[in-house]
Amino acid sequence: ETGVTQTPRHLVMGMTNKKSLKCEQHLGHNAMYWYKQSAKKPLELMFVYSLEERVENNSVPSRFSPECPNSSHLFLHLHTLQPEDSALYLCASSQDGSGLRPQHFGDGTRLSIL
Amino acid sequence: QKEVEQNSGPLSVPEGAIASLNCTYSDRVSQSFFWYRQYSGKSPELIMSIYSNGDKEDGRFTAQLNKTSQYVSLLIRDSQPSDSATYLCAVNHGSGGYQKVTFGTGTKLQVIP
Repeated sequence: ETGVTQTPRHLVMGMTNKKSLKCEQHLGHNAMYWYKQSAKKPLELMFVYSLEERVENNSVPSRFSPECPNSSHLFLHLHTLQPEDSALYLCASSQDGSGLRPQHFGDGTRLSIL
Repeated sequence: QKEVEQNSGPLSVPEGAIASLNCTYSDRVSQSFFWYRQYSGKSPELIMSIYSNGDKEDGRFTAQLNKTSQYVSLLIRDSQPSDSATYLCAVNHGSGGYQKVTFGTGTKLQVIP
């Protein structure tokens, strides 16, 4: 079983829709991350949760709203997105948020905005 | 200066050769360094972590860290076509309980059969 599971794998939505991305980790980790990866661009850190507390919001527009109900689950709620938000959204987890532990990534959700 | 810099490539090497991937970083107090492999359309996969100066070997992979010169490299011996991928360098920086990890833009490696 994959340590970090993301659903859905693919999502197509209109600009006025509301949808959510889900991430679940089975590794017993205490930190979880959302990244955006656009074509030919580096990984962009969006949000970090450590022990269910948000410790990083990397100037992400408010149309992206994260939620971390417990250390195993992370959501990214999406509303009124723009075409430039089309990208691969990756969830990751690590043992803690110290930056000293490697991150383990899910397979990602490929998001397309019509 | 970017926090983590990598040559985007592509780096082309013949099958069986040694591929050398390099990464420089700006934060002198960084303590943890990671190499990830990312196949096209897939998510990054951890290859190596290194924390101390010197070399760390794992199978065909060797990570080399030089904190004085602020660079970390990844050597891949006996390169195989299946090694063709983008290799991402990641480095921690900051202080306190939470420390940010920054990823480089990645180096694309092509192993030619």
